[in-house]
Amino acid sequence: NAGVTQTPKFQVLKTGQSMTLQCAQDMNHEYMSWYRQDPGMGLRLIHYSVGAGITDQGEVPNGYNVSRSTTEDFPLRLLSAAPSQTSVYFCASSYSMRRGRRGYTFGSGTRLTVV
Amino acid sequence: GESVGLHLPTLSVQEGDNSIINCAYSNSASDYFIWYKQESGKGPQFIIDIRSNMDKRQGQRVTVLLNKTVKHLSLQIAATQPGDSAVYFCAETYYNQGGKLIFGQGTELSVKP
Repeated sequence: NAGVTQTPKFQVLKTGQSMTLQCAQDMNHEYMSWYRQDPGMGLRLIHYSVGAGITDQGEVPNGYNVSRSTTEDFPLRLLSAAPSQTSVYFCASSYSMRRGRRGYTFGSGTRLTVV
Repeated sequence: GESVGLHLPTLSVQEGDNSIINCAYSNSASDYFIWYKQESGKGPQFIIDIRSNMDKRQGQRVTVLLNKTVKHLSLQIAATQPGDSAVYFCAETYYNQGGKLIFGQGTELSVKP
């Protein structure tokens, strides 16, 4: 079991560039989410998914897109990078409540800098 | 609106003492709460959870207390060790919201040897 795998671990983008942060889990979890964490702050929910083909917005969705075509993968797309998107991004997954959810398992994060 | 907040941003304790980290939440509909530990440079790590039909839950050296009357959550760490030094977050969600988990600001725990 690899758990939640995020790639890349580090990335530098120029303003206006686009890119996709990858997230994969091998635990057959229904729920997946993306968070961003700014220095000295908590995690803010960007987008989340309760199953393949279903996504919804979190607290800070602007500037990001997601899709969930498979149970395993939940990529996060930055459409046109801005310096305000400089942050550490965490992907997480969990069983559903129905299957006895016990909290999210987090990946190790992607540190993104937009210059 | 929805919010989960912490009373203290930093907490410094002596090794061997007990630590108490507090959290306030504003949404009375929340029915599931989780405490996470985050060490520097790593992702949050699940510590313990509690459902709204419980007041207390114990794990290994950790206890979570839930007071629904005042919408307050606390994490107690017994015999705090240097390895407990980290940032601790509380998070809330509700069954109807599926995967939507909202985090509080966090408390940094520093353990002095």
